[in-house]
This record gives sequence, C-alpha cells and structure tokens, in this order.
Amino acid sequence: AQRVTQPEKLLSVFKGAPVELKCNYSYSGSPELFWYVQYSRQRLQLLLRHISRESIKGFTADLNKGETSFHLKKPFAQEEDSAMYYCALSSPSGYSTLTFGKGTMLLVSP
Amino acid sequence: EAGVVQSPRYKIIEKKQPVAFWCNPISGHNTLYWYLQNLGQGPELLIRYENEEAVDDSQLPKDRFSAERLKGVDSTLKIQPAELGDSAVYLCASSFIGGSGELFFGEGSRLTVL
Repeated sequence: AQRVTQPEKLLSVFKGAPVELKCNYSYSGSPELFWYVQYSRQRLQLLLRHISRESIKGFTADLNKGETSFHLKKPFAQEEDSAMYYCALSSPSGYSTLTFGKGTMLLVSP
Repeated sequence: EAGVVQSPRYKIIEKKQPVAFWCNPISGHNTLYWYLQNLGQGPELLIRYENEEAVDDSQLPKDRFSAERLKGVDSTLKIQPAELGDSAVYLCASSFIGGSGELFFGEGSRLTVL
C-alpha cells in the first residue's frame, strides 16, 4: 500500500531562515511525488512536482529513492510562505489517485 | 475560467438528515474526484470518476454515501443519513485522464452535523 508521512504538524521559523518540510513515502516502485499548498482562505493547489525538477516561489524538492524521501526546501523563508503544505504521491502511469500526507503547517514570523 | 465549482460552501444539519454536495469540474476535464478532509488531516479519496464511470470507489462508505456523475460532467455526492462523524470538508477535484498528475481543487464544502 502506498503511504505518505509528514512527521511535523507545525514548523515555525523566522523570516529569512531556511525551511525544510519533511516527507517520506512508502511505495513499491517508482512513484511520482508532488507538493501541494493551501494558503489561508484559498483552495488547495499544486506547488511543484518532482518530474519537472523546477523551482517554484524559491522552493525545491529532490526525490531521494534510497531514503524514500521528498523533502521541500527553501533557503530564505518569507512571511507569505505561511500555509499548509501537503506531500502527495501517485503511480507513474498518471491513471491513479493521489495519496496525501497529513500536512505540515508552516508559520513564518517577521 | 472559474475553476472547479462546489456548492454549498457550508452546510449545517442535524444527524440522520440527508445532505448533498454538487461539483462542476473544469471544462474538458474527464477525471473527477471527491476527497474527504477531516480536521488536521490530509485529503482522503472517496471516489474517482473517469467520464461517467466510477473507477475507484473502494473508500466510499456505501451504506450511507452515494455519488453520481451523469453525462460525465457535474457530480453529486450524497450522504443519507448523516452521522456526527461525517463533519468534515468535502473536496472536489478534476484533471485530465493520464495527465501530469496535477489535480485542480474546488474550495470545498464544509459539513457540520449536530
């Protein structure tokens, strides 16, 4: 069975500090990994996906198959990064459902 | 483009009453999802449609929950009768079959059962 674990419910940092939101997964094979974000009073939306290897809003995430991790990182946090972040995975076929982690709330203080 | 539209946004009912949620996906998206999100949890799939066909409903509690997607566009999720534990946010999402994996979510329908 596929599973996503986000060990931290809350991560609180000061503006300008580095951020790392942890995500570990369980999947037999090579999954596709995603990070979704939900800002206050907004809908859940895609932040980035591992296959595109892009940086969105300064965030990056590297898939580590050996450690089955897909941690989200940003070198300098901004107040507008405060939001709920969800890690998710699906099978590479594109025909399966996303399985989400429980989410981590990121709070960036001034 | 309005995105995925859901209604109602909020619903308060007493236990044992029925309730229905409606979802209009993004035009052209053939895959539609209903997710359940309990407080402090991530979204959990209830049912996934590809066009009119429910291709994954293994997590849908079929004794009280039902869903339909007539004509492969809009969808309705119904609970009858509602229980206290059904209080949650019901999220609808849509995407292309075999697409990049990106789901587009609605704003959700928040249900409170008293």
